[in-house]
Amino acid sequence: LAKTTQPISMDSYEGQEVNITCSHNNIATNDYITWYQQFPSQGPRFIIQGYKTKVTNEVASLFIPADRKSSTLSLPRVSLSDTAVYYCLVGATGTASKLTFGTGTRLQVTL
Amino acid sequence: NAGVMQNPRHLVRRRGQEARLRCSPMKGHSHVYWYRQLPEEGLKFMVYLQKENIIDESGMPKERFSAEFPKEGPSILRIQQVVRGDSAAYFCASSPRGREDGVEAFFGQGTRLTVV
Repeated sequence: LAKTTQPISMDSYEGQEVNITCSHNNIATNDYITWYQQFPSQGPRFIIQGYKTKVTNEVASLFIPADRKSSTLSLPRVSLSDTAVYYCLVGATGTASKLTFGTGTRLQVTL
Repeated sequence: NAGVMQNPRHLVRRRGQEARLRCSPMKGHSHVYWYRQLPEEGLKFMVYLQKENIIDESGMPKERFSAEFPKEGPSILRIQQVVRGDSAAYFCASSPRGREDGVEAFFGQGTRLTVV
């Protein structure tokens, strides 16, 4: 399984755009990149998933360069409620596989 | 469509007792995953089950821990003779199939086990 590296913590002010980058240098050809969000005392929640280039949904955008060795989760105009831990996961497709979580990035949004 | 249901939400056990954690997957989901999260740490995979089968238990401690997902009823994570180090949040996730093609997994609210 590809190992991921992401910043331990980030701080932002409300209304700003936040970009969290994840490194996954040994990502495999059939690996997808998935981001989860976890609030205190809750289970993780799926945010977005992609394979290459750019993916956008109503919550976030995911940018993946051509070499796929990294990815960037972009949260537009964050609010206080976006304060959470964000996990970057890389996992194989085509076979049943578990989700492997790292330590995540703790995002703190303040006024 | 109810989400993944875990119960109890909080469980207190004395050292040496047994802990049983239950997980009812989302309707239509036949794949269940259990994770453990220690305070201020990420989630650690424990076991992946399908109905009546254990697919991957590479994250399960060799002793005292077991899991099942019977044909009928919830998935059960059982911890025998609990010790203080078992105190953690245990999360269950389910998916409609085995995460092929990037299928997302849905997590429950977790069970917080405290061993006193």
